[in-house]
Amino acid sequence: GAGVSQSPRYKVAKRGQDVALRCDPISGHVSLFWYQQALGQGPEFLTYFQNEAQLDKSGLPSDRFFAERPEGSVSTLKIQRTQQEDSAVYLCASSLVWAAKTLAYEQYFGPGTRLTVT
Amino acid sequence: SQQGEEDPQALSIQEGENATMNCSYKTSINNLQWYRQNSGRGLVHLILIRSNEREKHSGRLRVTLDTSKKSSSLLITASRAADTASYFCATGLLRSNAGGTSYGKLTFGQGTILTVHP
Repeated sequence: GAGVSQSPRYKVAKRGQDVALRCDPISGHVSLFWYQQALGQGPEFLTYFQNEAQLDKSGLPSDRFFAERPEGSVSTLKIQRTQQEDSAVYLCASSLVWAAKTLAYEQYFGPGTRLTVT
Repeated sequence: SQQGEEDPQALSIQEGENATMNCSYKTSINNLQWYRQNSGRGLVHLILIRSNEREKHSGRLRVTLDTSKKSSSLLITASRAADTASYFCATGLLRSNAGGTSYGKLTFGQGTILTVHP
């Protein structure tokens, strides 16, 4: 079946604008993650959903960042009043739920949305 | 914050040679995963090794894990030009939120840039 898809692939925003980034996970994947990847760095965790519940939002940099997954499938990451430091690639990943120490699953990543704030 | 530190930051080899990348981490883990990222295919899972395993193989890949030294290595044998990419280790840990729901969380390193010359 189809992999994780993200849209738009590229977004240019003027400083102060609001943006919305969309993620379509693999069908049946309960877990959904958002990451921020700066140039030359590894992905940094932003937030995690299990179905529609946001279980961890410890990585969101500020209250300008907001994520939702209202029906437990598609997710949207919204950034309000964008700043230049928000420029990065935003990655979405989905996986089967991993709820026991010896039972772990790989994450499947989308192509990312490259956000440039000017 | 990123837990994994990868070494070297960049590696340049000839086709046919072996490539070894190392990853060190600071806290306890349940598993360690390696991912590859290139512009063509995005971030792709390569291999997962659990904390009670010491070595794992998959095709031309060999991963070792030493939990006493908090380190892992990824060996790619008989490298090909198509192996050119950034390689990331990611430590996996089972977490619980305030409501007691368990979920797996990955923390990525900064990556090793591998260049394989034809």
